[in-house]
Amino acid sequence: QQPVQSPQAVILREGEDAVINCSSSKALYSVHWYRQKHGEAPVFLMILLKGGEQKGHEKISASFNEKKQQSSLYLTASQLSYSGTYFCGTEEVTGNQFYFGTGTSLTVIP
Amino acid sequence: DTEVTQTPKHLVMGMTNKKSLKCEQHMGHRAMYWYKQKAKKPPELMFVYSYEKLSINESVPSRFSPECPNSSLLNLHLHALQPEDSALYLCASSQMSKGRMNTEAFFGQGTRLTVV
Repeated sequence: QQPVQSPQAVILREGEDAVINCSSSKALYSVHWYRQKHGEAPVFLMILLKGGEQKGHEKISASFNEKKQQSSLYLTASQLSYSGTYFCGTEEVTGNQFYFGTGTSLTVIP
Repeated sequence: DTEVTQTPKHLVMGMTNKKSLKCEQHMGHRAMYWYKQKAKKPPELMFVYSYEKLSINESVPSRFSPECPNSSLLNLHLHALQPEDSALYLCASSQMSKGRMNTEAFFGQGTRLTVV
């Protein structure tokens, strides 16, 4: 089942923060986050495997609430290079399909 | 080598043509995937091969026929496509552990297919 992301789109000024949410109706084994720029392939950001886990790389981090089947991606002090479409990807506990979320378009302006 | 290579990059085909898309990886990944992506939409899962066996077929029309000749190669054979099949076709691969994709998926740059 395709997870649902919110918001659908967001515009930020450089230096501002953003949160992107991903929600599934199914029990999840893992949540992945990818960023895709126009005309390019999705690029991996991070994977979260266990409930309550939080990961991060400096200004980009994520959390996974296993009980709620929700994940959030946190972007702090955004840079122009953060622009793109962000997708969560989920692997369900039952079955090994990997579905991408509905996507969030993020635009960072100077 | 952390690349997934897809060929061709662009393909224009008529509705009566037969063509194939190719995907190759040399990372030792045992799971390979085909996705279809329309403009401004998320990638849609089409097929999953796990250890060279088709494990998932997401109700894809039979005019799309996948093939996994060995652990490094994945093909998608196309026949009698419709204009609505025009899209970006992405191939991906990943490690598998206990039947799970618990590492990142690496994506190729895709084949942009136009059916005329």
